[in-house]
Amino acid sequence: RKEVEQDPGPFNVPEGATVAFNCTYSNSASQSFFWYRQDCRKEPKLLMSVYSSGNEDGRFTAQLNRASQYISLLIRDSKLSDSATYLCVVFGAPTGANNLFFGTGTRLTVIP
Amino acid sequence: IAGITQAPTSQILAAGRRMTLRCTQDMRHNAMYWYRQDLGLGLRLIHYSNTAGTTGKGEVPDGYSVSRANTDDFPLTLASAVPSQTSVYFCASSDTGNTEAFFGQGTRLTVV
Repeated sequence: RKEVEQDPGPFNVPEGATVAFNCTYSNSASQSFFWYRQDCRKEPKLLMSVYSSGNEDGRFTAQLNRASQYISLLIRDSKLSDSATYLCVVFGAPTGANNLFFGTGTRLTVIP
Repeated sequence: IAGITQAPTSQILAAGRRMTLRCTQDMRHNAMYWYRQDLGLGLRLIHYSNTAGTTGKGEVPDGYSVSRANTDDFPLTLASAVPSQTSVYFCASSDTGNTEAFFGQGTRLTVV
């Protein structure tokens, strides 16, 4: 079983729509959680960290449910510029080594 | 140098040849990582280093080696390239494993 699993999509939504991405992780000892954004043929870049209490940054809201080992990202009022692949990232220590584990990514296309 | 830099940006390599991908960061980060990204498989960890002088194996280490002689540099070597190593390679660094990771721009490697 993969450390991090995401719905690969693709998600095609109209401008102004609200879209949600989900992610589950397998290691209950995981310590930190992030959402990264990756544009086509570019490197991943941090979108936001995910905290237990949930956190919001403008149109983006991230939630963490430790009991269910579940992370979500909500994007409100989608813009064309939100089109990208969104990567769920978990920092964990499955074998005593500290590593960042990436989901395969969810592709979002916002349509005019 | 600003941030993290990889070289070369792309390379076509004959099977059986030896190749070293370079990665340098100027942020004095302790942790560095090498990932490969393949369509449908996402980012997979090859090797990592939590601090200068130490390295560890990730999810897909076979056919690759790394060294971490100092804080700034983390080269990845393919001793004898094979076509299945055709991929996009990303180097990343972070202050510690559970903080934001910064990525290089990637190296697109084709083994023929």
